[in-house]
Order: sequence, then structure tokens, then C-alpha cells
Amino acid sequence: DAMVIQNPRYQVTQFGKPVTLSCSQTLNHNVMYWYQQKSSQAPKLLFHYYDKDFNNEADTPDNFQSRRPNTSFCFLDIRSPGLGDAAMYLCATSRGDRGAYNEQFFGPGTRLTVL
Amino acid sequence: AQSVAQPEDQVNVAEGNPLTVKCTYSVSGNPYLFWYVQYPNRGLQFLLKYITGDNLVKGSYGFEAEFNKSQTSFHLKKPSALVSDSALYFCAVRDNRHNDMRFGAGTRLTVKP
Repeated sequence: DAMVIQNPRYQVTQFGKPVTLSCSQTLNHNVMYWYQQKSSQAPKLLFHYYDKDFNNEADTPDNFQSRRPNTSFCFLDIRSPGLGDAAMYLCATSRGDRGAYNEQFFGPGTRLTVL
Repeated sequence: AQSVAQPEDQVNVAEGNPLTVKCTYSVSGNPYLFWYVQYPNRGLQFLLKYITGDNLVKGSYGFEAEFNKSQTSFHLKKPSALVSDSALYFCAVRDNRHNDMRFGAGTRLTVKP
């Protein structure tokens, strides 16, 4: 089945130690998103790629970076995790032809714990 | 700016009764509206969307939603609730000028046997 896969499902890191979360998709969607979700709150968009075009949200901290080496993979890098970065990180994809009506498909998420 | 509001943090219904989860929206262009459901420790699952056309939209698992332009609402409904419908529900909006989606704060639905 076509899907969005996130690895690992659970990640524990230490304060200040860089961490990378990964997302892959078999849907061949050209748009990929990273969201941060805390304590059953609304997902907060960090950034998205439209093809190779990177779009950063204005309030996304510089501590968060992303890479998309090809259509299928996207990475979230947290350079110096703080306690406040502990959250569920959700990857999503959509088929985008600049049309705003395509739903997003979400991965299961990676729960990040910062010690 | 585009936004959605879900006025209820929590909705409780008895199994077999109809359920409604409320959502209102604000956009500057034409609204594209979505409902997602999230089970514990899982990602969001798409339920249904309104783009244009018939105001009553039918989606997965027997859910439907009604688009009301005059009231700027897009309430999620189901005629007969199941215990397995208990989850967190998110309304979301995009307009035709932006490539991103804005989510509401979520409503926790609990269906009791």
C-alpha cells in the first residue's frame, strides 16, 4: 500500500544533542510537510517543500532545518534540541499542482523526548 | 489570514446517538475545508473535504459535513455514533491563495457505550 513512513517512531535525545527525523513516501507526491504537535494540540506547520522549493514558516526557529534529497525522502534536523522541542513530529504529503484542494496524507509521527 | 475555530474542546455522546463536531472558518478567498481524525499516538487521517458543489459532503466511516457559507461553518456529523469513533478531530482550512493548511485546536470526541 502507498504510504507515508516515519522513522523512528520514538526518539530520545539529550539536551543540545543534534537529532534527525526521517520521512519517506511511496505516494510520489511532490509536496512534503513537517508539523510539530504538542499534547494533542493543533499541528503546527514548520515548513514544506513544493518539489525542491523550500518554504519556511516565519515563526519556525532557526534550530529546525530540513533536507529533501529526492522526491521520496525528507529529513527534519534539530540542531540543538531544547526541552521545549519535545513533541510529536508529523510528516505529511500531498499532490500539489498549486491547487489548494488536495488533502494531506500523514505519517504515524515520531515522538521526540528530550532529556 | 486563514483560520478555523473549533469551539468545543470536548464532545460526549452515547453510542447510537447522532454526533456533531463544530467548526467555523475565516478566509479571504474561496475556502477549502477538511476534517481529519487522530487516534492516540497516530498521525492524522483524512475524513472528508469540501471544495465546491454540494454543500453536504460524505466521507469515510459514515461521517458527513455540511458547508454553510452564510454561517462560515463546516460541522462534522454522523447519524449514529460508535464507541470506536472516540478520537481527536481536527478541522482545517486552506484558501486558493495559500499552499498551506491551518488546523483548528481539535475536539476530543468520547462515545460512551
